[in-house]
Amino acid sequence: AQSVTQPDIHITVSEGASLELRCNYSYGATPYLFWYVQSPGQGLQLLLKYFSGDTLVQGIKGFEAEFKRSQSSFNLRKPSVHWSDAAEYFCAVGGVGGGATNKLIFGTGTLLAVQP
Amino acid sequence: EAGVTQFPSHSVIEKGQTVTLRCDPISGHDNLYWYRRVMGKEIKFLLHFVKESKQDESGMPNNRFLAERTGGTYSTLKVQPAELEDSGVYFCASSQDLGPRDGYTFGSGTRLTVV
Repeated sequence: AQSVTQPDIHITVSEGASLELRCNYSYGATPYLFWYVQSPGQGLQLLLKYFSGDTLVQGIKGFEAEFKRSQSSFNLRKPSVHWSDAAEYFCAVGGVGGGATNKLIFGTGTLLAVQP
Repeated sequence: EAGVTQFPSHSVIEKGQTVTLRCDPISGHDNLYWYRRVMGKEIKFLLHFVKESKQDESGMPNNRFLAERTGGTYSTLKVQPAELEDSGVYFCASSQDLGPRDGYTFGSGTRLTVV
């Protein structure tokens, strides 16, 4: 069955430090890949997505992610974290299952804390 | 444009009671999705509407859950009777075209606590 793994449940980084959140998926073909962020009291906001082409994708808020087919990974990165980046981050795959729906399959999320 | 709106933001009910969650999608979005996140678990798909029709309800956990989308506008998700394991955050999302290529817009969720 298709699955998405986010191995880090909770990460703490210092403000200004770099960040990498890991995501691995299990799916035969290359699915659509997404990163979402949920800040307290907010909905899920799309950070970036990958469908095809350049394997390094840029998103909002200074985030980027790199698709590595050989590792079935889609890790999220940011060179310098800001205190406002503290939130929960979800990796998701879509376009699985075919048919007339494109439901998303999510990972369990990574909670990011930023310390001064 | 207004985003996806969900009511209520929080609900605490007793086991055995009924609760109805509401989702107002972005105007003009034909596709409406419900997802649920149980504490500590991943966000899971529940069902998908295209206008007023259920396109995919493969994620609905059991027949205590009933989703409707009258007139292809807002949607409701009723849980009757609620059980303890129904506690979690219920998300609604909408898209104009069949996602996910165009991306979904998610609401802020309804946190349901069954005691």
